[in-house]
Amino acid sequence: SQQGEEDPQALSIQEGENATMNCSYKTSINNLQWYRQNSGRGLVHLILIRSNEREKHSGRLRVTLDTSKKSSSLLITASRAADTASYFCATMNSGYSTLTFGKGTMLLVSP
Amino acid sequence: GAGVSQSPSNKVTEKGKDVELRCDPISGHTALYWYRQSLGQGLEFLIYFQGNSAPDKSGLPSDRFSAERTGGSVSTLTIQRTQQEDSAVYLCASSPLGAYEQYFGPGTRLTVT
Repeated sequence: SQQGEEDPQALSIQEGENATMNCSYKTSINNLQWYRQNSGRGLVHLILIRSNEREKHSGRLRVTLDTSKKSSSLLITASRAADTASYFCATMNSGYSTLTFGKGTMLLVSP
Repeated sequence: GAGVSQSPSNKVTEKGKDVELRCDPISGHTALYWYRQSLGQGLEFLIYFQGNSAPDKSGLPSDRFSAERTGGSVSTLTIQRTQQEDSAVYLCASSPLGAYEQYFGPGTRLTVT
């Protein structure tokens, strides 16, 4: 069953613009992760934020986590055409090692 | 280093046949996961192996699905008497001990006709 819900389902922007994707979840978590998927095949891990963290950066990525609202956001700054992909949030519950994925946001970055 | 590999990359089978999907995790990774991705259901967890512990099979959708992991490395997911609703991309991932992030293979696209 789905834990996370991403918003928006699809996002279309121009190169150089920032892209923001949101994720909401339902239960208490140990950590939340974001993954990217190109062409419907393998997923690539982007960034992980633990439940006791509020913000994390990695290159052009910025992730925030609000456990009181059970929500997270992924910001990609200065987007590039190569960022075109589907982005998924995934939650890991305390005491578990498996991920529960949201339905993803399809990001299209036009040159 | 080599990533997670899966074979075959594509599999077309007739309804009612059995299929085996293979996953080679990253060397040294103790955890191995199988997920299924379909248009209607998104990404679903199927089964999880950690070292020599009993696998977590809580995500398997029916008893037609089974998986094994030999020698703590290669894993095979078997689907018996395939149905059209089994059509999906089957993804395998592995993870080193103590790590939370997972490393995914390219997936096997299964089409049941």
